[in-house]
Amino acid sequence: QLQLQESGPGLVRPSETRSLTCTVSGGSIGSGGYYWAWIRQAPGKGLEWIGSVFSTGRTYYNSSLKTRVTISIDTSNNQFSLTLNSVSAADTSVYYCARHVWSGGSYFDFWGQGTLVTVSS
Amino acid sequence: IVLTQSPGTLSLSPGERATLSCRASQSVSSLFRGWYQQKPGQAPRLLMYAASSRASGIPERFSGSESGTDFTLTISRLEPEDFAVYYCQIYGGSLITFGQGTRLEIK
Repeated sequence: QLQLQESGPGLVRPSETRSLTCTVSGGSIGSGGYYWAWIRQAPGKGLEWIGSVFSTGRTYYNSSLKTRVTISIDTSNNQFSLTLNSVSAADTSVYYCARHVWSGGSYFDFWGQGTLVTVSS
Repeated sequence: IVLTQSPGTLSLSPGERATLSCRASQSVSSLFRGWYQQKPGQAPRLLMYAASSRASGIPERFSGSESGTDFTLTISRLEPEDFAVYYCQIYGGSLITFGQGTRLEIK
């Protein structure tokens, strides 16, 4: 069974740059033709797609975040990462990583448990 | 593309039928329509993809349909574990978008 686990700092100061990592187990992120995605959810709010990365490193981003976001993939360690620049309180959210099927549809079929990132001074 | 889910909250009893709706502001391919269930403190779970295909392990009481820019999630007979928040999701215009959610609560 595929499992995803987010890791990274829980508290970030405004204007800083921080990264989150998703470690995948039970399958190789370099095979299968899947994308790997980051999705976030502000407290009490809905879901927001941040972006997705393919095993080749090709990325797609939400246009509303594109200038501040970088998603990268490390197939040798079965991990992918999210870097968010110039964070503000509006970036306080639970961040989920997920497997993104983008062939014959577009949907997220396996999710990590999520990690809360709080932006505060 | 804007997704509008209705109703915002749906109050029903176990055993009843639930109908949740999602309307896209523009035409979206059937392939790119999906539904998720989220319970408190948990990650979302994929229910339906390509509008009417059930994800692995999803009970048959869940079904999806569509008409034009509208698509619908139906739960034929509610079980206690079905009370949760449901989100629709589309891919269109180079963007993946989720609806604002429908809260399904016990009446």
